[in-house]
Amino acid sequence: DIVMTQSPDSLAVSLGERATINCKSSQSLLYSSNNKNFLAWYQQKPGQPPKQLIYWASTRESGVPDRFSGSGSGTDFTLTISSLQAEDVAVYYCQQYYTTQRTFGQGTKVEIK
Amino acid sequence: QVHLVQSGTEVKKPGASVKVSCKASGYTFSNYGFTWVRQAPGQGLEWMGWISANGDNTMYAQKLQGRVTLTSDTSTATAYMELRSLTSDDTAVYYCARVNYYDDYWGQGTLVIVSS
Repeated sequence: DIVMTQSPDSLAVSLGERATINCKSSQSLLYSSNNKNFLAWYQQKPGQPPKQLIYWASTRESGVPDRFSGSGSGTDFTLTISSLQAEDVAVYYCQQYYTTQRTFGQGTKVEIK
Repeated sequence: QVHLVQSGTEVKKPGASVKVSCKASGYTFSNYGFTWVRQAPGQGLEWMGWISANGDNTMYAQKLQGRVTLTSDTSTATAYMELRSLTSDDTAVYYCARVNYYDDYWGQGTLVIVSS
């Protein structure tokens, strides 16, 4: 199985400041035939299902605020919240869908400092 | 608008089985497969398995192999997850999600409690 490792496990950021979450995969998620990275980011708030934020490593889901952005390729990826808002408090997960047996990172909890 | 509506909370005794349903609406059911994901209390997301759009193909997480079965019924646009030989470690919220390469729409989750 592809192992996904996120860092940090948690972070506290002041309102309006930048939050950065890293995700590393144990093998490349770049599919050569279409040059796409099979990596998604999800946001989960307490008591709710995960919500799709980013797919193909950097494509924002419709309706997701543009303060959320994804970057990276191959094995190293980043989710950035450019200006943290109160409603962004949540746990964020990366997920690889390169293989049918998807795997998730362990999650990163984002809080307000 | 795509909606996935799951069945309600289940309380089961150790050794029993549970079957969770996921009814889809708002799109052509037979065009998309499903994944199932579970989340134990206070823990992260664990992928359980996948079923293809036509229901003919499945793949399961190795640790659940032999205990889990995914099925789908195109006539009712419903996907199902059955888990057998339950233990307390299976206490979790179970989610279905539509597969569009990534998992783009999720059900609301079904809480399964395993307790004697």
